[in-house]
Amino acid sequence: RKEVEQDPGPFNVPEGATVAFNCTYSNSASQSFFWYRQDCRKEPKLLMSVYSSGNEDGRFTAQLNRASQYISLLIRDSKLSDSATYLCVVNSRGSYIPTFGRGTSLIVHP
Amino acid sequence: EPEVTQTPSHQVTQMGQEVILRCVPISNHLYFYWYRQILGQKVEFLVSFYNNEISEKSEIFDDQFSVERPDGSNFTLKIRSTKLEDSAMYFCASSEIRQSSGANVLTFGAGSRLTVL
Repeated sequence: RKEVEQDPGPFNVPEGATVAFNCTYSNSASQSFFWYRQDCRKEPKLLMSVYSSGNEDGRFTAQLNRASQYISLLIRDSKLSDSATYLCVVNSRGSYIPTFGRGTSLIVHP
Repeated sequence: EPEVTQTPSHQVTQMGQEVILRCVPISNHLYFYWYRQILGQKVEFLVSFYNNEISEKSEIFDDQFSVERPDGSNFTLKIRSTKLEDSAMYFCASSEIRQSSGANVLTFGAGSRLTVL
């Protein structure tokens, strides 16, 4: 079983839509969670950390479900500029090695 | 905003040659990493470096690879006897552990694209 799994997509949505991605992780000792964004042929960049109580940053909402071992990212009012690959990243307790999911591709069209 | 810088941005080499990829991490960061991403695939961990030595490495990081911190600022990845399948984007990253939560947030460089012919 892969450590961090994501639906690769692509998710093809119109501007203004709400879209949600899930990510599952296999290691129950996982401690910290992040969403990164990667544009085509660019480096990953931190989008947001994911806190146990859930957190919001503008149009973006991240949630963590430890019981089911998944995290989610919700994007409201999608913009064309949101088109990118969204990477789920998980850190396990005692390890300083973030593990990346394969990413979910989002395409926002006019 | 502090950034991680990488050189070269693109290197083309012949199979069997050696390449050195260079990185300047963020100055107050303590942990340094190399990841690679083959086109269309996931970001894969290669090696991490802390306190002037390798702290963890993956199965990919075999004897063909080595890392060095030759001075106080540079962090290099050497790939000996390159193979076609080494063609990938190589990302350097650094991090400052967030002590309060243990969260480890990486800042990536723009990457070095290696093409092996």
